[in-house]
Order: sequence, then structure tokens, then C-alpha cells
Amino acid sequence: NAGVTQTPKFQVLKTGQSMTLQCAQDMNHEYMSWYRQDPGMGLRLIHYSVGAGITDQGEVPNGYNVSRSTTEDFPLRLLSAAPSQTSVYFCASRTFYNEQFFGPGTRLTVL
Amino acid sequence: AQTVTQSQPEMSVQEAETVTLSCTYDTSENNYYLFWYKQPPSRQMILVIRQEAYKQQNATENRFSVNFQKAAKSFSLKISDSQLGDTAMYFCAFMIGGNQFYFGTGTSLTVIP
Repeated sequence: NAGVTQTPKFQVLKTGQSMTLQCAQDMNHEYMSWYRQDPGMGLRLIHYSVGAGITDQGEVPNGYNVSRSTTEDFPLRLLSAAPSQTSVYFCASRTFYNEQFFGPGTRLTVL
Repeated sequence: AQTVTQSQPEMSVQEAETVTLSCTYDTSENNYYLFWYKQPPSRQMILVIRQEAYKQQNATENRFSVNFQKAAKSFSLKISDSQLGDTAMYFCAFMIGGNQFYFGTGTSLTVIP
């Protein structure tokens, strides 16, 4: 099992550009989430999904869109990047018993 | 509002000694789960231990154990026989409502040889 994979590992964007952060898991987990990690602030939940076709907002959803067309994939879209979205982004999936597995993270810089 | 407070931004411990990391949280929910995660310099988040709020017995995982005080909303992590590989950021977190996770700001632990 590859676990949770994320691409790319690093990305630099200009303000206003759009991009999609990819996340995939091969553990057949229903629950998947996206977090951002900023210095001194811990991890904050952006969006989550409880199964294919079902998504919901977390604590900091503004500026981000998600979709979940398959169990395996949960991409995060930035439609118009802003410097405030400079962060490290983590995707996670979890078991029914609440053990959450994280991807390796994507470091995003918006200039 | 749901909050998690880790009041010790940095801690250090001598190798083989015991250290306790503190965590307090606030939620009006009665059913929730509590977690400690470790983030080494590699940036990978790793689950250390979890606790169901409805269980009174404190969770243990090898050298890691928790002191869960539900009334006080306290969830401290004790690491026994500290090893160099324990050097990392440690995050306290809780989950409510099926998938809403809230994390603290972390404690940076350094194990000194």
C-alpha cells in the first residue's frame, strides 16, 4: 500500500493563478480531509468528505473547492491564489475507528 | 467554539528520562475522540495515541501514555524512556461530529543525548 499520496511536493504560484493539489489513497477509506498548517497555528481543517459525492466545509474553507468523484481521490482546488494561502497542505484519510493517515504534505508559496 | 491549548511551545528531556506534554481543550460536545500526533522534521504526521472520551481508562501505547481528565478537559501525554527518535513536534487534537478535527499549536520536544 502506498497509503496517502500528494502531488506536487512543492509549488510556487503567482497571485491570481489557479491550481489543483492532488491527493489519493489506496486504503479504501471513506473519510478524507484537507488541512493547512501555518507557523504557530497547528493544523486547520479546510474541507472534508465522508464518501464519494459527499463533501463539507471545515474551519477555513474560503478560497478552496473540493470534489470527491471516487473513493480514492480528493483534489483541492485553488481558483485564484492569494498570498494568504501560502502554507503547507496536508491530505488525510481515516478509518472508521478514527486512525487518521496523513500524506507527506505540499508546500505552497503564493507570490 | 472548539479550542485546543498546548501551553508549552518547547520542551527538552534527557535521553532515557520521562517527559509530560500538556494539553487542554474546550468543547461543549460530550462524545469526542482525543489524539496525540507526532511530526518529525520529515513533516510526516504520525498518530501516537488516541483516547475515546467515553472511556475512563487511560490509553497506553508502549512508551506513550495519556492522563485523561474529562471533567478538567485535560489530555496530557507522557513519554517514558525518551529516545532520540522522539525529537519532534507533538500536536494534541480532538474530533467531534464524525470528522471535525481541531489541533493545538504544538509542542516542540527535543531529546538530549
